[in-house]
Amino acid sequence: ILNVEQSPQSLHVQEGDSTNFTCSFPSSNFYALHWYRWETAKSPEALFVMTLNGDEKKKGRISATLNTKEGYSYLYIKGSQPEDSATYLCAFNNAGNMLTFGGGTRLMVKP
Amino acid sequence: GAGVSQTPSNKVTEKGKYVELRCDPISGHTALYWYRQSLGQGPEFLIYFQGTGAADDSGLPNDRFFAVRPEGSVSTLKIQRTERGDSAVYLCASCLGGSGGYNEQFFGPGTRLTVL
Repeated sequence: ILNVEQSPQSLHVQEGDSTNFTCSFPSSNFYALHWYRWETAKSPEALFVMTLNGDEKKKGRISATLNTKEGYSYLYIKGSQPEDSATYLCAFNNAGNMLTFGGGTRLMVKP
Repeated sequence: GAGVSQTPSNKVTEKGKYVELRCDPISGHTALYWYRQSLGQGPEFLIYFQGTGAADDSGLPNDRFFAVRPEGSVSTLKIQRTERGDSAVYLCASCLGGSGGYNEQFFGPGTRLTVL
């Protein structure tokens, strides 16, 4: 059983705050790490697919880093907006075909 | 450019009944996945299809669960003799190519199953 953990489980921030959360995963047999954003009643939306140690990817105000040697990835949101409120999921792939998901971080941004 | 669609969006059934959940993947995507998200947890893998065949069904919890993809496109997840513990959001995803490792999996909005 692969252990993928996310912290914190939930997070409340004020509009304009910057925030970050963590995904930890097994450091052996690493293939790819995916980040998804999931709003209630919508489809999970892919944010990043990260494959190389030291990778840093950015999409607008959201960025992510990857450390495969120690088995963690950080997701950062700069200047949070209410529309960023969602559950952020990371998913680990170890060369199998399925994704192993963490439990998610539920972000709520107050106006 | 339709995305992955799933029907129904919500299904309420009684314990012991049979249910079918449908997934329409993105046209041309050969790989199709089913996941299940129980309350408070992340999605868990159930089964993976490559074309018409189930390439990996190791995530199916027991023999009450079965899935088919007869023409390599639409897939149906079938649950017999439903139990209250089967209540969850069932997610379907499709992917271009044989491996979901590097390739993005595109998800549908899910079917919320409630077993009373």
